[in-house]
Amino acid sequence: QKEVEQNSGPLSVPEGAIASLNCTYSDRVSQSFFWYRQYSGKSPELIMSIYSNGDKEDGRFTAQLNKASQYVSLLIRDSQPSDSATYLCAVITGANNLFFGTGTRLTVIP
Amino acid sequence: NAGVTQTPKFRILKIGQSMTLQCTQDMNHNYMYWYRQDPGMGLKLIYYSVGAGITDKGEVPNGYNVSRSTTEDFPLRLELAAPSQTSVYFCASSYSRTGAGNTIYFGEGSWLTVV
Repeated sequence: QKEVEQNSGPLSVPEGAIASLNCTYSDRVSQSFFWYRQYSGKSPELIMSIYSNGDKEDGRFTAQLNKASQYVSLLIRDSQPSDSATYLCAVITGANNLFFGTGTRLTVIP
Repeated sequence: NAGVTQTPKFRILKIGQSMTLQCTQDMNHNYMYWYRQDPGMGLKLIYYSVGAGITDKGEVPNGYNVSRSTTEDFPLRLELAAPSQTSVYFCASSYSRTGAGNTIYFGEGSWLTVV
């Protein structure tokens, strides 16, 4: 079982819609969770971090964490074409190792 | 505002050649990392360092070596390059591994092709 799993997509949403990206992880004692955005040919950039159960909002982005279900998600409201990118979920496990998922490619259609 | 700087950006190597990818950071971060990213895949950790003089293996260390003689520099050495090492390599750094300082900052990447 992979430490971090994501649907590879591609996920296509129309401009202005909500994009929902999902991630599951295998280590129950993981404590830190991150979402990175990676444009094609560029390096990953951090857009959200979340450490506690529940929702964390930052502008159009909301990260949701459910430790009981070992599930973390990212919602992008009012999706824009500039949001088109690959979104990487990352998790720091109980052993303090950081693992990345394979990423979900998002396309926002104008 | 340099952050994490890695060189070269692009390189073509022949099978069996060796080379070093350079990485330097100016944020006084303790932790430094080397990742590789194959097409359509996530990031795999090659090696990491928790401070000057200390390095450790990640998920995919075979075929690589690192050193950390200073806080700023963390070069990655490829010995006897193989086609399987064709990838994009990212150097990264963070202040800590846990807590509020664990944000990882990435360099711009080095595209390596082994032919």
